[in-house]
Order: sequence, then structure tokens, then C-alpha cells
Amino acid sequence: GAVVSQHPSRVICKSGTSVKIECRSLDFQATTMFWYRQFPKKSLMLMATSNEGSKATYEQGVEKDKFLINHASLTLSTLTVTSAHPEDSSFYICSARAIGRYTDTQYFGPGTRLTVL
Amino acid sequence: GNSVTQMEGPVTLSEEAFLTINCTYTATGYPSLFWYVQYPGEGLQLLLKATKADDKGSNKGFEATYRKETTSFHLEKGSVQVSDSAVYFCALSSFQGAQKLVFGQGTRLTINP
Repeated sequence: GAVVSQHPSRVICKSGTSVKIECRSLDFQATTMFWYRQFPKKSLMLMATSNEGSKATYEQGVEKDKFLINHASLTLSTLTVTSAHPEDSSFYICSARAIGRYTDTQYFGPGTRLTVL
Repeated sequence: GNSVTQMEGPVTLSEEAFLTINCTYTATGYPSLFWYVQYPGEGLQLLLKATKADDKGSNKGFEATYRKETTSFHLEKGSVQVSDSAVYFCALSSFQGAQKLVFGQGTRLTINP
């Protein structure tokens, strides 16, 4: 099946610094990628939809200036958490949408655990 | 707005037991419905899906039927295995195809030998 990778898998940073998370579709091209946030024992919450070559679409309540998304190629989207604070600590998950003649499926990365000290 | 509600976990069963994980949804229009599974240390994987009322999705012995009259998409398996231990997420997409998924809170399933 299609594979989506995320890097890093874990990151610890100091408050006020910025952190970049990469999401790659390894064996298919994805014009659309999604970024989710998952709190402990909670569901995944969609943060934004990333479209290759255009600006990301953010969900209501998500600060676009804090969570910068860049989808510069058909296989790579990045999420940068700017000026991170402890409340940004969470599990961030990306997915990439694969569209074929008979299929339309989101493939998920393994997630990145961010801890802000 | 659209929402998905799953039964509270965790769920613990013995091997070969019958499994049901309840899922109900609220949505406008005609959503597509999905079950995803997350094995320890891995990303979410699509388990099965149904795109219209009365459709039955099935995979790896799991089944779920899209019931519009009860707005439900319950996951079932007749005989679970230890390898089925994972977290299961019910989700919907109000758009055609796999766009903008709304997830339930997930149900952790543990199967004991």
C-alpha cells in the first residue's frame, strides 16, 4: 500500500523556538495533504488542508500564523510550529490523499510527538 | 456541524470472541463513512469504508453497514484475534471521497489469548 512518512517522530524544544515537521508521500503523488492534531485519549482534529502550489486552508480556530504550512511539491508538505509554547505540545499527524481511477483514500503518517518545555 | 460518536473504550475481549464497536454520526447530506485502525507505533490505516446507504464495507473479517435510518456504522467481527489489538477510529467525510475527515474519539481494543 501507499506509504506516508513523517520526520521527526519525536521532538523536544524550548518555549519560543520554532519546529518544522515534514510529511512525505513515498510512492505516490499527493496534490492534497492534511494536518491533524491529536490530544491524549482524544480524537484527531483536522487543522488544515494543504494543497500543492497554493495556500493552505485552515479550520476554524487554528492560527495560520502559528502553524505555517508549505506544500511545495507533490510529495512533501511541512508544518512549522512557530514560537512554540507548552500548550502546543501534542501529537501531530499528516495524511496524503491518493486519487486513482477507482480509489480515493487518505494515507496517514505515523505521527510526530512534539513536547515544548 | 458534522460529528462522530464512538463507544467508550477500552474494550478487552478474549480471543475468538465476537466484537462490536458502535459508531453513530451526525451529518448533513450523504456522507461517506470509514473505519480506520491504528496499530501500536504505526499510522492510521483504512480498514473499510462505505459511500452510500445500505452499503457494507468489509476487510480482514471486519464488517460495517451504512445505516442511514439509524445514522450508524457499527464495526463487527465474528472472531477476534490477538493481532486485532489496536485503536479503531470511525470517521466520516461529508464530501465525495476522502476529504476533510471527521473522526470519532477512537476505541482501544485489547484481545487476550
